[in-house]
Amino acid sequence: DAGVIQSPRHEVTEMGQEVTLRCKPISGHDYLFWYRQTMMRGLELLIYFNNNVPIDDSGMPEDRFSAKMPNASFSTLKIQPSEPRDSAVYFCASSLRGTNTEAFFGQGTRLTVV
Amino acid sequence: GIQVEQSPPDLILQEGANSTLRCNFSDSVNNLQWFHQNPWGQLINLFYIPSGTKQNGRLSATTVATERYSLLYISSSQTTDSGVYFCAVERGYGGATNKLIFGTGTLLAVQP
Repeated sequence: DAGVIQSPRHEVTEMGQEVTLRCKPISGHDYLFWYRQTMMRGLELLIYFNNNVPIDDSGMPEDRFSAKMPNASFSTLKIQPSEPRDSAVYFCASSLRGTNTEAFFGQGTRLTVV
Repeated sequence: GIQVEQSPPDLILQEGANSTLRCNFSDSVNNLQWFHQNPWGQLINLFYIPSGTKQNGRLSATTVATERYSLLYISSSQTTDSGVYFCAVERGYGGATNKLIFGTGTLLAVQP
């Protein structure tokens, strides 16, 4: 398996624009997680899905953020409208069964909002 | 929520030296993982180790769940070991949360 695949690797956008980040989990994994990494807050969980259903979105910072998982092999994280403070590295991770097994991370998307 | 503290916050080593990184957590855990974030930002799985001891080459890890800490040992360090080492845990009660809570990391620089 190619691992967790995220796209794009880098995104630069202007404030106010819509940004969509994409993730393909490892085939067969039934949990998918979106994390954000910043210098100030470190790595924090935004939302996670089990069998394509959102389970906990308490980490999503604002209504400007939304995430979907239309099928087992694809998820999106959307920011609309984007703001400079959204600049961060966004990671997607997946795992099997979600507990007592390890999570694997994608390479991340570095988002810069100017 | 569960607190995860890592020490030291940063560390400079000469190539060939050994080191021990520590992760303390404030409650029981179902899951504990060690990651290495390399200078390119990739998060690489090192160990899944909610308890016990594991070894992989020059790296080994020990988790003493009853005392709520884990140690990562790096022996004969190499410049490619540089980066940030993260400990991440999932709490061990109240149902499966599936949330990995990350520590603040240890920044390691190995000098040639």
